[in-house]
Formats: sequence, structure tokens, C-alpha cells
Amino acid sequence: EIVMTQTPLSLPVTPGEPASIFCRSSQSLLGSDDGNTYLDWYLQKPGQSPQLLIYSLSYRASGVPDRFSGSGSGTDFTLTISRVEAEDVGIYYCMQRIDFPFYTFGQGTKLELK
Amino acid sequence: EVQLVQSGAEMRKPGESLKISCKGFGLIFTSYWFGWVRQMPGKGLELMGIVYPADSDVRYSPSFEGQVTISADKSLNSLYLHWKSLNVADAAIYYCVRLVSEAGFDHWGQGSLVAVSS
Repeated sequence: EIVMTQTPLSLPVTPGEPASIFCRSSQSLLGSDDGNTYLDWYLQKPGQSPQLLIYSLSYRASGVPDRFSGSGSGTDFTLTISRVEAEDVGIYYCMQRIDFPFYTFGQGTKLELK
Repeated sequence: EVQLVQSGAEMRKPGESLKISCKGFGLIFTSYWFGWVRQMPGKGLELMGIVYPADSDVRYSPSFEGQVTISADKSLNSLYLHWKSLNVADAAIYYCVRLVSEAGFDHWGQGSLVAVSS
């Protein structure tokens, strides 16, 4: 099983300031056949179902604001919010999608406002 | 509009059976894999398994193999999660998801709360 490790687990942020969440995988998520990186990011807002934010390392899902961006390579990845807004509060999860069908999530990072 | 609509909250006693459901709207049900994700109280997300309704191919994550049964009925655009005998540790919210091979879990159901208590 590929283990996904997120840091930090808790992230207090001042509105308008940037924020970064890190995710590390126990194996490379770079596809050997197609060059894609199979790393996705999800946000679970309070009381809601999770929603897809970023897929395949850096592609924003439909309707996701451009203040969200994903980067990284191999086993180390970052989700960056350029300017945090109140609606960004929630728990962020990374997920590996290279090991079909045994996809695994990180533990989650709780973003809250200062 | 694509929607995954799940069955409502359930309360059962340990040892009882349960089947929850998820119905897809606004999509070609047989063109995708669908899955179930567990979220135990105050905890993170775990993929339990996935099913391909076109041929009912089911794959389980190792931790859930033998613990639950995942199935689908393409004529009803529905997928199911079944327990023969619940235990207290099965109390959780269960989400159904659609898997797009290029883009992950792009749609989630609203969640089904399962409570298990004697």
C-alpha cells in the first residue's frame, strides 16, 4: 500500500495570506507510460462531502478558483492557496491514484482562519 | 447535471445486516467506475472498493475484502454497499463516488450515515 503523509495537520492562516500544504508519498506517483503524475487534492468543507480541487498534480477541477494550484514531482507535492479566503476553511486531503484500484488518502490537513 | 444521490441515515444493532444505495443521475452509468469511501467519526477518508457497472467487476481495498459486498445494478443506475453482520466499528459516513480515470473522484454523493449501537 502506498502511504500518503501530509504536513502540517493543522494550519491557521490569516485571510488574504498565502497557505501551503505538503504531501509525501511512499512511492513515486509518476506514471511510466504516460508521464502523468497521479496525485489529486480534495477539500472537505465543514458539514459537506469532499470535493475535487486538483487532479493529476496541477489541473484544477471545474469551478475551482485560480488561487488554488498544485505542484511537485515524484514523491513530494504541494497545494498552494495564493490568498486564503473564508470559504477555503476545511480539511484538505491528498490522494494517490497510480496504484489502481488501491487508491489511498493522506491524513488530512485542517485549514482554519486566525 | 451529474448527481449521485444516496439513501438516508440508518441505525442498526450489532449483528444486523444493512444495504445502502447510491443512484446516479445525468450520467452514462456504464461508462465509469464508481466507489465507496468510508469516513469514521472525526477521521479521514478511506476507499473501500470500486465497481464497474457495465460488467459488475468489483475490486476491494485489502482492509475491506470480505467485510462488505459492493454491487451495482446498471438497469437502475445504482450501486450498493452491503454488510451481512454489522459491528460497532462500522459506524461511519459512507460516500459514493464517481471515478474518472484521468481526473479522480469528480463527483461525490451527499453521504449516508450509518449508526451501530446496541
